[in-house]
Amino acid sequence: DGGITQSPKYLFRKEGQNVTLSCEQNLNHDAMYWYRQDPGQGLRLIYYSQIVNDFQKGDIAEGYSVSREKKESFPLTVTSAQKNPTAFYLCASSIGQGTHEQYFGPGTRLTVT
Amino acid sequence: AQTVTQSQPEMSVQEAETVTLSCTYDTSENNYYLFWYKQPPSRQMILVIRQEAYKQQNATENRFSVNFQKAAKSFSLKISDSQLGDTAMYFCAFLGGKLTFGKGITLSVRP
Repeated sequence: DGGITQSPKYLFRKEGQNVTLSCEQNLNHDAMYWYRQDPGQGLRLIYYSQIVNDFQKGDIAEGYSVSREKKESFPLTVTSAQKNPTAFYLCASSIGQGTHEQYFGPGTRLTVT
Repeated sequence: AQTVTQSQPEMSVQEAETVTLSCTYDTSENNYYLFWYKQPPSRQMILVIRQEAYKQQNATENRFSVNFQKAAKSFSLKISDSQLGDTAMYFCAFLGGKLTFGKGITLSVRP
């Protein structure tokens, strides 16, 4: 089955630690995205990548980093510089960036204490 | 910058009835796409319906249809014959380069 996987579903970390969230897709999509969702808010774009080895900052990139070494994978690292890291993180992909609908993974709930 | 507004935070509907969720947006672009996404309690975002701005005909997808008013920048979602499984958050989204989401509306379907 084609789709997007995110692991783990729940992640717990201590304050001051970096943590990496996994996102893998087998849809052969070129573009991939990371969003953050907080209660009562819509999704906010963290980073996106249109092709391998290239990515751009979204609206709330501070405290986050990404890599895109393979077409299928787009991991997100939440660094200790992110002031409020506890949130629900969603990964998405699309055929191309700008004109195509995005398909989402199941999300990762990150809790930092 | 584009903005998407969903002014109703919550709605409730009786099973088998029809409900309309409203959405307005602001943009200076002429070519863009609009979407409704559903987020059930599992939190998986599911694409419900898509509308291209250059198409005058309103999109339909089984029990889901939209009322797209380009001049008014309005994009409402109508759910007919509501089912218990329709209970979810619904997000309106605008795509004109990047995808911008509204804050969502919580829909509850009552048995």
